[in-house]
Amino acid sequence: RKEVEQDPGPFNVPEGATVAFNCTYSNSASQSFFWYRQDCRKEPKLLMSVYSSGNEDGRFTAQLNRASQYISLLIRDSKLSDSATYLCVVNLDTGRRALTFGSGTRLQVQP
Amino acid sequence: NAGVTQTPKFRILKIGQSMTLQCTQDMNHNYMYWYRQDPGMGLKLIYYSVGAGITDKGEVPNGYNVSRSTTEDFPLRLELAAPSQTSVYFCASSYSPRDRVNFGDGTRLSIL
Repeated sequence: RKEVEQDPGPFNVPEGATVAFNCTYSNSASQSFFWYRQDCRKEPKLLMSVYSSGNEDGRFTAQLNRASQYISLLIRDSKLSDSATYLCVVNLDTGRRALTFGSGTRLQVQP
Repeated sequence: NAGVTQTPKFRILKIGQSMTLQCTQDMNHNYMYWYRQDPGMGLKLIYYSVGAGITDKGEVPNGYNVSRSTTEDFPLRLELAAPSQTSVYFCASSYSPRDRVNFGDGTRLSIL
């Protein structure tokens, strides 16, 4: 089992749709959670941090479920510009010196 | 506000050649990282550093070396280039291993 696991997709959705991605992680002691966005052949960029109580940034909502060890990202009113790969990122435990990246979920928003 | 700067952006090497990928950051971050990303795949950690003079191996260190003589700089050295090292290389930095990571815009390396 991968330490941080994501459905690779692709998720093909029409403009205006709502789409959700989940990500599971292996260690219940994990402390930091993020969603990054990566456009084709570009560097990953932080989309949002994920907090225990859940958080929202415009059309994007992130949730953390510690009991089931997963985080989610909800995108409402999808735009063509949301087409990208979304990376789930976790600091798995206090002994790790680096964040662990999932392989990403590809989203394609269609006109 | 440059953030993380990588050079070169593109490079083609012949098998057996050596080169150094440069990385510098201006955020005074102690933690720095090198990742590689093969086409259609996720990021793999090559090496990381927790401060000047301290480096350690990541998941895929074979064929690479690093040094960290200053807080700002974290170069990655390929000694004997092999086709399997064709990839996009990202340098990154963070304040701590629990904090967000800031990436450079990558070096695209082809070995022929």
